[in-house]
Amino acid sequence: KQEVTQIPAALSVPEGENLVLNCSFTDSAIYNLQWFRQDPGKGLTSLLLIQSSQREQTSGRLNASLDKSSGRSTLYIAASQPGDSATYLCAVTFTNAGKSTFGDGTTLTVKP
Amino acid sequence: DTEVTQTPKHLVMGMTNKKSLKCEQHMGHRAMYWYKQKAKKPPELMFVYSYEKLSINESVPSRFSPECPNSSLLNLHLHALQPEDSALYLCASSLLQGGTYNEQFFGPGTRLTVL
Repeated sequence: KQEVTQIPAALSVPEGENLVLNCSFTDSAIYNLQWFRQDPGKGLTSLLLIQSSQREQTSGRLNASLDKSSGRSTLYIAASQPGDSATYLCAVTFTNAGKSTFGDGTTLTVKP
Repeated sequence: DTEVTQTPKHLVMGMTNKKSLKCEQHMGHRAMYWYKQKAKKPPELMFVYSYEKLSINESVPSRFSPECPNSSLLNLHLHALQPEDSALYLCASSLLQGGTYNEQFFGPGTRLTVL
C-alpha cells in the first residue's frame, strides 16, 4: 500500500527561526510531490510542486527537496513569521492518473 | 483568472433533501477533482474528471453524483445524505497536457452539514 507520513504532527517555534517539515512515502516510484498549506476552515494553497525528475524547488522563503531513493521530501521555511502558522500537507502522486495521496499534515505555530 | 471558485460556501440540508455543489475554473484546466475533508484529517479523493470524463471514482456511495457539463464546471449532486457526510467538500483543478497531470489548485470549499 502506498502511504505518506508527516512527522511531527505539530510544531511550535519562535518567530525568526528556520525550520524543516518532513514528508515520507513508501514507494520511491513517484510521479510528483506537492506541498500545500491550509488555514483553519479554508481550502488548500499550493506552495511548491516537485516533479519526479527534480531534486528541489524554491519559492521565496520556501525550499522543497525530494530524495526518491530514501522516500523523503522536506519543506524548509526560512525566517519563520506568525503568518506562516497553518497546517502543511504534502501530497504524493504515485502514478500519472490524477490520484494523490495526502499525509496527515504538520500543524505549525510560529509564536511572536 | 487563476482561481477555483465554489458555491455555496455553506450548506445545511436534511437527509431527504437534494442539493448540488458547484465548482468553476477558467484556467483551461482539463482535470477536475472532488475531495472530502473531515475535521483534522487530510483531504480524501472522491472523483477525478479528465477531459470531462470520469476517470477515477474512489468507491464513493451513489448518494454522491458528480457531473462535468463542460471544461470549466464541475458539480456534485447530493441526495439522501447521512449525518456522517457532513464535511468540507473541496474542488480542485489541474492542467492536463498530453496526458500529464500538473499542479493542483484548490477552491475554498463548501462546508456541508447534514441534519
